Amino acid sequence: EAGVTQFPSHSVIEKGQTVTLRCDPISGHDNLYWYRRVMGKEIKFLLHFVKESKQDESGMPNNRFLAERTGGTYSTLKVQPAELEDSGVYFCASSFHGSYGYTFGSGTRLTVV
Amino acid sequence: QKEVEQNSGPLSVPEGAIASLNCTYSDRGSQSFFWYRQYSGKSPELIMSIYSNGDKEDGRFTAQLNKASQYVSLLIRDSQPSDSATYLCAVNGPHTGGFKTIFGAGTRLFVKA
Repeated sequence: EAGVTQFPSHSVIEKGQTVTLRCDPISGHDNLYWYRRVMGKEIKFLLHFVKESKQDESGMPNNRFLAERTGGTYSTLKVQPAELEDSGVYFCASSFHGSYGYTFGSGTRLTVV
Repeated sequence: QKEVEQNSGPLSVPEGAIASLNCTYSDRGSQSFFWYRQYSGKSPELIMSIYSNGDKEDGRFTAQLNKASQYVSLLIRDSQPSDSATYLCAVNGPHTGGFKTIFGAGTRLFVKA
């Protein structure tokens, strides 16, 4: 079984630029989550998809962040325009059921300079 | 008050000893409880899940849950140097729109050879 795939693994961009992160969940996992860990802090929830629908986006920091999951398969998270405080590791995770544990991707380390 | 609280550590134990990791949570409606292990620079990996009061054992790991006290713990028997990692407590329960998992900041464990 292929795991959760994220790319790029690293991204360094300048403040004001746009970055798009991609996540491919485990096949058959309807639930897809985005989390973020900024340095020294706990992993914070961003949003939850069930298939192509946003179930909960209460953790999205502001309207510079846009997540999509077209067709209920892979998901993208776009940050536009990026700010310095957006730096961190962005994790994607998927699960078969909303109350089960997750399988995490390897994360995308985003650095905004 | 944080939703999921853990002692950040580091917790240092000698090889072969029992490591005891603790976690408290604030939402009494929480239904699912997890322990993830995260090696430095890697993504979190689910190692234990527990859903009802009591103990759950899996190999050298035992998870303990006490919902009345809002307390979750993880015991690692016969600790090995390879167990050295950050252990994340995570709690899942119904939130607006569905299920969401909240993570603690993690406890760093060092197992000395």
